[in-house]
Amino acid sequence: GAVVSQHPSWVICKSGTSVKIECRSLDFQATTMFWYRQFPKQSLMLMATSNEGSKATYEQGVEKDKFLINHASLTLSTLTVTSAHPEDSSFYICSAEKTSIETQYFGPGTRLLVL
Amino acid sequence: EDKVVQSPLSLVVHEGDTVTLNCSYEVTNFRSLLWYKQEKKAPTFLFMLTSSGIEKKSGRLSSILDKKELSSILNITATQTGDSAIYLCAVGASGTYKYIFGTGTRLKVLA
Repeated sequence: GAVVSQHPSWVICKSGTSVKIECRSLDFQATTMFWYRQFPKQSLMLMATSNEGSKATYEQGVEKDKFLINHASLTLSTLTVTSAHPEDSSFYICSAEKTSIETQYFGPGTRLLVL
Repeated sequence: EDKVVQSPLSLVVHEGDTVTLNCSYEVTNFRSLLWYKQEKKAPTFLFMLTSSGIEKKSGRLSSILDKKELSSILNITATQTGDSAIYLCAVGASGTYKYIFGTGTRLKVLA
């Protein structure tokens, strides 16, 4: 199998605080992980590609200083939403690519609500 | 610019009907096409297609890729209410790890 976990599942925070979301591949090593954002009734929007041991590649329009990504090991990537504001409220989903079969497996997602 | 287009955007059918969902793409150096099902949480993997004309099948779901037409279809036969979901298509290009997602098709199956 290929299991990806995310933590936390739900987070509610006050405006101005920072929130860290973890993404782990539980039974395989993932050189590459992806972070997506999804608004209600919309498709996934790729925010950044995270490669182990190197800097993340951000998509156009995504603020690097706002959404900090760290991929410190082959099984863990973190996304930190810094100084969160209500407009950052969204569903954040990570995926990890199983290199041997070039398929992305998704974590269960983290729902962020910024008050 | 690379893009993936899914049709229809939304579909309502009755239990027992057969549905066909479409995904067309324009991607430089096509690598693979993935189908996902998304219910209330994150997408779950259905199929990966890399070769044209070879059908992938899983129960009532099947999918096939047509590289000449730059498209793929996902078929669901004898639909059930549990098939209600958003079906996402994603296409990857060689030389990049990135996948481009379509807008999804929202399927609702009525009892």
